[in-house]
Amino acid sequence: AQTVTQSQPEMSVQEAETVTLSCTYDTSENNYYLFWYKQPPSRQMILVIRQEAYKQQNATENRFSVNFQKAAKSFSLKISDSQLGDTAMYFCAFMNLARRNDKIIFGKGTRLHILP
Amino acid sequence: GAVVSQHPSRVICKSGTSVKIECRSLDFQATTMFWYRQFPKKSLMLMATSNEGSKATYEQGVEKDKFLINHASLTLSTLTVTSAHPEDSSFYICSAHDRAAFNVLTFGAGSRLTVL
Repeated sequence: AQTVTQSQPEMSVQEAETVTLSCTYDTSENNYYLFWYKQPPSRQMILVIRQEAYKQQNATENRFSVNFQKAAKSFSLKISDSQLGDTAMYFCAFMNLARRNDKIIFGKGTRLHILP
Repeated sequence: GAVVSQHPSRVICKSGTSVKIECRSLDFQATTMFWYRQFPKKSLMLMATSNEGSKATYEQGVEKDKFLINHASLTLSTLTVTSAHPEDSSFYICSAHDRAAFNVLTFGAGSRLTVL
């Protein structure tokens, strides 16, 4: 069974600073996706970034980038130039690609506060 | 982009009554939908996988007679909380895989259930 672990329940940083959210996972699979989802106060789940396990290059989406270390089973999210609108709950998540359209397993989340 | 509509967004009911929550894929066909439950300030817990035209697959510990799932068409899955009790109060979120797009998962906005 796959597990996703987020060891930082809560973090706070000043606006414009860079922040890194940690995530580790455990799986015996070789082909999978990893995700970071954002859940703002509205509670709508928003996909921030996705990483395919077979790609060595780290995914990047504007101010958001990941550090994917497959051997270490680590998948951290870096937010650069943080903005007030980045305040939200962030979930690291895993999807097994051995079966088409499989479920997503979420970590417990990190609550991020961007301070003005 | 793909849109998943979830209705109602909020519902309050009395103990002992049943409540139905709908999850619709508006612009795509979804052979697989997932139902999650989220407690306050907690992560998303997968309840069941809803498969079009067949029985849902429930996660361990989830009562299938309490949480009835029906996926009668390629665009609609419903979750019925039967004989609701206050402990069933929670935030329920559905998500759907686009049949035509490999491993693209879209989330609904969620439904807050309060059982009095």
